Amino acid sequence: AQSVTQLGSHVSVSEGALVLLRCNYSSSVPPYLFWYVQYPNQGLQLLLKYTSAATLVKGINGFEAEFKKSETSFHLTKPSAHMSDAAEYFCAVSRSNYKLTFGKGTLLTVNP
Amino acid sequence: DADVTQTPRNRITKTGKRIMLECSQTKGHDRMYWYRQDPGLGLRLIYYSFDVKDINKGEISDGYSVSRQAQAKFSLSLESAIPNQTALYFCATSEDRVDSPLHFGNGTRLTVT
Repeated sequence: AQSVTQLGSHVSVSEGALVLLRCNYSSSVPPYLFWYVQYPNQGLQLLLKYTSAATLVKGINGFEAEFKKSETSFHLTKPSAHMSDAAEYFCAVSRSNYKLTFGKGTLLTVNP
Repeated sequence: DADVTQTPRNRITKTGKRIMLECSQTKGHDRMYWYRQDPGLGLRLIYYSFDVKDINKGEISDGYSVSRQAQAKFSLSLESAIPNQTALYFCATSEDRVDSPLHFGNGTRLTVT
């Protein structure tokens, strides 16, 4: 069975600092990987997805993620945090069963 | 208008009551899903439907039932609500592709007292 581990349930950064949110997956074959963002009182929105076309994936709002097969990782980064990035972020994995399995989420706090 | 609409947005009910959460979509997707979100646990799949005649249990289906009334409508019922079903419930849709992302509604916050 596939699973997703997000390291750190809460990450706090200063405005302008690098954002790094970690995600590791367990899978015997390369899966499809996604990052979603959830703002307060809203549903989840897709940030970006990896589908094997390129290992470095660019998403919305300046976020990007790099697929590293050797490390089974798909970490999310943004060079400079903005106050509006404060939200909860979820990593998810999908394989041939067409269902997404979500990580437990990482709450990002951005301090002024 | 939202592509995936959930009603109600908030609901408070008492233990033992039957309630229904509704979801409708205008995206034309065949696949629809119900997830439950609890703090620190992420999202867990309750039921999913790949078309009107194909409904499947997810990882936490006990105590829940669903109905796919049409391609655009997928409702979730709690037959006899209990306090540990207090959670945020999300409906989602997707295209019929393994790499298709989910499109979420804004959620229904359910409180069972």
